Amino acid sequence: ILNVEQSPQSLHVQEGDSTNFTCSFPSSNFYALHWYRWETAKSPEALFVMTLNGDEKKKGRISATLNTKEGYSYLYIKGSQPEDSATYLCAFEGSNYKLTFGKGTLLTVNP
Amino acid sequence: DTGVSQNPRHKITKRGQNVTFRCDPISEHNRLYWYRQTLGQGPEFLTYFQNEAQLEKSRLLSDRFSAERPKGSFSTLEIQRTEQGDSAMYLCASSLGLNYNSPLHFGNGTRLTVT
Repeated sequence: ILNVEQSPQSLHVQEGDSTNFTCSFPSSNFYALHWYRWETAKSPEALFVMTLNGDEKKKGRISATLNTKEGYSYLYIKGSQPEDSATYLCAFEGSNYKLTFGKGTLLTVNP
Repeated sequence: DTGVSQNPRHKITKRGQNVTFRCDPISEHNRLYWYRQTLGQGPEFLTYFQNEAQLEKSRLLSDRFSAERPKGSFSTLEIQRTEQGDSAMYLCASSLGLNYNSPLHFGNGTRLTVT
């Protein structure tokens, strides 16, 4: 069974704080690592898809890094806002195009 | 781009009944995925299609679950003889599927409650 682990499980921060979460995944048979944001009452939305070791991607105040050799990815949010409150999911994509998701990190940003 | 559409949004059924859900992917997307999500868990893989071919089905799924994607367009997921443990959010997603870094586009899901 392929394990994709995310930590922390949940996180409460104050508006303006910067924060980060971790996703760990198998370092073998790796093809891509996906990050999604899932807001309440909406469908999951793709943030980043990364494939290369050392890759860094940025979208506004959110960025992500990838280390495929040791099997982890970090997601960073700079200056958190209440609208950033959501569950952040990572997913490992292997050679068969199947995506295996972690349990997610629930972020709550207090105004 | 009208997005991924799932119907119905909610389904309440009695234990032992059969249910069928429908997913209409984004029209040019080749790959279609079904996931199931329960409280406190991430989306759990059920099955996926490349065009009309079903490439993999989760070993966790019993024979009561079946999915089809005729003509490589919409897909249906059927659950026979539903059990209370089948209560969950059923998510459909599609992707362009040209390579390994195609992001998934999700529908709003079908929430199933088995009483």
